[in-house]
Amino acid sequence: EVHLVESGGGLLQPGGSLRLSCVASRFIFSTYEMNWVRQAPGKGLEWISYISSSGSSIHYADSVKGRFTISRDNAKNSLYLQMNSLRAEDTALYYCAGYYNRGGFSWGQGTLVTVSS
Amino acid sequence: QSVLTQPPSASGTPGQRVTISCSGSSSNIGVNFVYWYQQLPGAAPKLLIYRSNQRPSGVPDRFSGSKSGTSASLAISGLRSEDEADYYCAGWDDSLSGWVFGGGTKLTVL
Repeated sequence: EVHLVESGGGLLQPGGSLRLSCVASRFIFSTYEMNWVRQAPGKGLEWISYISSSGSSIHYADSVKGRFTISRDNAKNSLYLQMNSLRAEDTALYYCAGYYNRGGFSWGQGTLVTVSS
Repeated sequence: QSVLTQPPSASGTPGQRVTISCSGSSSNIGVNFVYWYQQLPGAAPKLLIYRSNQRPSGVPDRFSGSKSGTSASLAISGLRSEDEADYYCAGWDDSLSGWVFGGGTKLTVL
């Protein structure tokens, strides 16, 4: 069963930077396409970034393009999200979510990012 | 405003059948699979339906998905109190080159 554990969330001021991590286990991480999805307090799900299994293809939502960078290290079974120029509207629970062969997302438990002065 | 459109709420009584709709366009639902996720209060989302109408192992057959044109729907039969949750549809959008979600439907079991 897919197991994903996010970390790195916290409280920071607008304009700050943060790096989220997601460690994968119990499956072959290098075969999975990975994503970051966030959920603002009391709101719905918002996809923000995708990376292919090899890392060769990357996509971002317009809301984070130019500020966030997704990456992965298959040797370490890890997914990352570098977040720069953070804004109050980036406050959310950030989930990593992976899938294989169009099988639908498996989700971690999320890590909370709060941007506030 | 979400790319995929869902009703914000739905309700039913125990044992009833309820359906939740998801409307998209020719760049997402019209050409790609639809996925449905259930999010119980305080929990991470969980996959309910993949590839528009397939159930992962462990998901009861009370849950079913269908797709027609640029719309999809999730049906829940034999409604139970534990089905009270938020439900989201999702799919890949070829024009946006990204995943899109519906705004979510809050299901209340009366």
